[in-house]
Amino acid sequence: AQSVTQPDIHITVSEGASLELRCNYSYGATPYLFWYVQSPGQGLQLLLKYFSGDTLVQGIKGFEAEFKRSQSSFNLRKPSVHWSDAAEYFCAVYNYGQNFVFGPGTRLSVLP
Amino acid sequence: GAVVSQHPSRVICKSGTSVKIECRSLDFQATTMFWYRQFPKQSLMLMATSNEGSKATYEQGVEKDKFLINHASLTLSTLTVTSAHPEDSSFYICSAQVSYEQYFGPGTRLTVT
Repeated sequence: AQSVTQPDIHITVSEGASLELRCNYSYGATPYLFWYVQSPGQGLQLLLKYFSGDTLVQGIKGFEAEFKRSQSSFNLRKPSVHWSDAAEYFCAVYNYGQNFVFGPGTRLSVLP
Repeated sequence: GAVVSQHPSRVICKSGTSVKIECRSLDFQATTMFWYRQFPKQSLMLMATSNEGSKATYEQGVEKDKFLINHASLTLSTLTVTSAHPEDSSFYICSAQVSYEQYFGPGTRLTVT
């Protein structure tokens, strides 16, 4: 069965610092890959996705992610974090005919 | 973009009563919708897949008689929590699938007293 891991449960960064959130998946083929953000008490908002092509994808709010097939990773990055980025971040994978699988999430705190 | 709404956003009910949560796709049709449950500080747990015009597919461990799902139209799926108990208190999120993407509703906070 496919699985998604996000090794960091909680990350704290200072405002203006760079950010990288890790995501690894286990599956034989390359799935469709997603990053979602969830603010407290809210639903999930799609930040970006990777289906094929350029392995560096740009998303909303200044986020980007890089797909590395050799590492089965899809890490999320942002060069300069804003206080409003504090939220829970979920990596997800999807394979056709199967369900979405979500990672456990990484909670991001931003220090002023 | 595709918008999914949920109603109500918050509901408080007494133990033993039933609660219905609606999930609507506002600007598109969705043959498949999903219902998730999320416990505090945890990830989403898929409860069931709702297919328009057919019975829902429940994940292992989810009681289909307790969590009734109806997907009567291409824009509406409902989740009814029957005979609710305090342990059913949770955040319920629906989503609608379009091609390879899922669009999520804003969630419903259910509190059973």
